Parts: sequence; C-alpha cells; structure tokens
Amino acid sequence: GENVEQHPSTLSVQEGDSAVIKCTYSDSASNYFPWYKQELGKRPQLIIDIRSNVGEKKDQRIAVTLNKTAKHFSLHITETQPEDSAVYFCAASKGGVTGGGNKLTFGTGTQLKVEL
Amino acid sequence: GAVVSQHPSRVICKSGTSVKIECRSLDFQATTMFWYRQFPKQSLMLMATSNEGSKATYEQGVEKDKFLINHASLTLSTLTVTSAHPEDSSFYICSARRAGESTEAFFGQGTRLTVV
Repeated sequence: GENVEQHPSTLSVQEGDSAVIKCTYSDSASNYFPWYKQELGKRPQLIIDIRSNVGEKKDQRIAVTLNKTAKHFSLHITETQPEDSAVYFCAASKGGVTGGGNKLTFGTGTQLKVEL
Repeated sequence: GAVVSQHPSRVICKSGTSVKIECRSLDFQATTMFWYRQFPKQSLMLMATSNEGSKATYEQGVEKDKFLINHASLTLSTLTVTSAHPEDSSFYICSARRAGESTEAFFGQGTRLTVV
C-alpha cells in the first residue's frame, strides 16, 4: 500500500518568514495530494491540493509543488502569521477511483509554530 | 458547501460498555465514508472504509468485531466501539466524499472518546 513520509515533525519560524514542509510517497499510482491544517481537537481542514497533471499550485500565501518523478511534494507558506500555527498533514490518494480505492494515506504531521 | 456532522463530539463511557458514533453528510450523498483514529500528537490512521449497502473494508490490524461499522443510507455511517477499554480512548474522525467523486474529502468534527 501507499506510504507517506513527512518532514520535519516540528518547525519553528519567525513571523513573516517562510515555512516549507516536505512529503514523499511510495505509490506511483497516487495522483491526488491534499494538505490539511489541524488545530488542537478540531477536524482537519483542506488548505490546498494538487493533482498529478500539474507541477505547482498557488493560493495567496500558500503554494504546493509536486515532483512526480521523485515522488515528493512540498507545502510552502510565505509571510507566516501566528494564526498559521497548527499541525499540517500531507496526504496522498488515487483520485479518479471512486469508492474505497481512493482512500487517503496521511503523513505523520508537522507541528508549525510561528513566533512573534 | 459540503458539511459532515459527527455526533457526539465527546463521550465518556465505562470500561466494557459500547459506544456508537454517527457520521452524517448533511448536504450531499456519500456512497463511501472513512473512519480514522487519531492518538495525541499522531497522524490520522485509517481504520475502515464504509460502503453504503455493503460490508465495511477494514485496515490490517483493526478488529472488525470490535469496531462495528454500518452504512445503511447515503448520508449516514455509524461506528460502534464494542466492549470499550481504556486503550480505545482516542479521537475518532469520519470523512466522506460526494457520490461519484474521487478527490476532496470532507471531515466530521471528530469524537473524543474517553473510556474509564
């Protein structure tokens, strides 16, 4: 099955700096890669996603890049703010397959702390 | 929007009793729902895939007789933790995809189960 690795496990940055979180996946058939932000005790919230037919996607301060050949994808947050502090999870699945075949496999998570 | 509601949000039960958790898609139909368990400071681990009108598919290592899943309609899946023990204490989260779609998953708000 799919295996998703995520680094770093913790990340501290100064407010205004950029933060980068990296993930690798093992299954070359995976083609949908979402990123979730989870605050303590709350549900994961989708912040950005990318499909394998594109290499980069941006939404304001957040961007995701995908390297299919190397099987890794990264989350980039620019101009970080204290409210960006949370746990971030990457995930991978086989989009295009309905039902249980497209289950999400999550990375281990990154605790991001934005310091004033 | 796509809203998934999970109930209850918190439950405390005595060891040996059973607890039922509901996951509802409020404004869309979901032929497939997913149940995750998340221990403190850890990632979301998929327990099972719930398929409307058929048996759930359990991940390796998850006891199907202990974690009963029923998906009787296109908007409701239930997870019953039977004969709960303190080690079952965890955060349980469901997610659902719109019927016929294969990518974005919508999460419930989670259920914090404490077994005493």
